[in-house]
Amino acid sequence: QQQVKQSPQSLIVQKGGISIINCAYENTAFDYFPWYQQFPGKGPALLIAIRPDVSEKKEGRFTISFNKSAKQFSLHIMDSQPGDSATYFCAAGGGQLTFGSGTQLTVLP
Amino acid sequence: SQTIHQWPATLVQPVGSPLSLECTVEGTSNPNLYWYRQAAGRGLQLLFYSVGIGQISSEVPQNLSASRPQDRQFILSSKKLLLSDSGFYLCAWSVGLGELFFGEGSRLTVL
Repeated sequence: QQQVKQSPQSLIVQKGGISIINCAYENTAFDYFPWYQQFPGKGPALLIAIRPDVSEKKEGRFTISFNKSAKQFSLHIMDSQPGDSATYFCAAGGGQLTFGSGTQLTVLP
Repeated sequence: SQTIHQWPATLVQPVGSPLSLECTVEGTSNPNLYWYRQAAGRGLQLLFYSVGIGQISSEVPQNLSASRPQDRQFILSSKKLLLSDSGFYLCAWSVGLGELFFGEGSRLTVL
């Protein structure tokens, strides 16, 4: 079964702190690893994505770290803000995407 | 630019009634189209995907069906809704093996 395991299920961080969400995948054929951000009542929106030819990708306060040998990747949100409070999904695939179960992030003011 | 439209945004239906959710994509040709369901506080469950007109693949056997009558139109249907069909339904599109773009979703409550 091609699962993507995401943790933690929920995360509470103080404003200005670092939020870290982790994902692990099983299928070594996966070559695309995006993260999606979803606000309540809205569809998920692509936040940042990485291909396995690099170990890290940074866009503003958001960074993906990728460990191919461990089959793990993580999202780091630096200087977390209350506006970052949302549900975050990791995904992995080589065509169709397999999604993680989501992490509900709350950033306290 | 590409856009995706999904409607209705909210729907309340009695058990046993039919369902039709519609999705259209603008600004691209021959997209891959998807229907996902998201139960409250849960992840994304792929229901159907389509790589072309009339081509539908089902990931989860159930009382839902999908159709693609036109290149950029994707419809999710049911003849008789169950309570368990309640959820947030998301249409999405992609081109080839690229990024997946989601619509705004349709909230279905079955009473």
